[in-house]
Amino acid sequence: KNQVEQSPQSLIILEGKNCTLQCNYTVSPFSNLRWYKQDTGRGPVSLTIMTFSENTKSNGRYTATLDADTKQSSLHITASQLSDSASYICVVTGGAGANNLFFGTGTRLTVIP
Amino acid sequence: EADIYQTPRYLVIGTGKKITLECSQTMGHDKMYWYQQDPGMELHLIHYSYGVNSTEKGDLSSESTVSRIRTEHFPLTLESARPSHTSQYLCASSEWGGRTYEQYFGPGTRLTVT
Repeated sequence: KNQVEQSPQSLIILEGKNCTLQCNYTVSPFSNLRWYKQDTGRGPVSLTIMTFSENTKSNGRYTATLDADTKQSSLHITASQLSDSASYICVVTGGAGANNLFFGTGTRLTVIP
Repeated sequence: EADIYQTPRYLVIGTGKKITLECSQTMGHDKMYWYQQDPGMELHLIHYSYGVNSTEKGDLSSESTVSRIRTEHFPLTLESARPSHTSQYLCASSEWGGRTYEQYFGPGTRLTVT
């Protein structure tokens, strides 16, 4: 069964600290993996996309990694800011037909001063 | 910021009413989607469209219907709203084809049925 699981479910960190969010998937075949940031009451916005051959990609203070062998991805946030408070959703494209999207439940990050 | 718009942003309505949630995009994207998202839960695809006059049901069964008469417009209709329809509805669009399939999301409509 094609699934995407994220951990932790929620996370509270102090402003300025780093954190890492995890995404494990069983989607096969795999096309790509995307991390989205969803602010409360808003639609998700894409942060990074990882294809099979990529294992690291950065977007400012966000760095995503992908291990296609173990089917794991992580999103590392450096020097967190209050504006990083949001839900972070891992979305894997693949499955039969290779263009279905599978959404994780997200990690709710709260950055406190 | 993505050029995809949803109205209304918030809607509180009584049981049995007919409602239409509007979604428009100005990016010329062929593919459009409707998702339903409960608080703290994942997005569930309820409808999608490959282009004009194309509509398909998604993974999650929904009593809503959609239409795609124009490329830029993908409204969602509930003929008779019920409390179980209370949720956030997100519209998205993407280009047809390509490997990345990036979806651009609207801000969502928070629907409450009393």
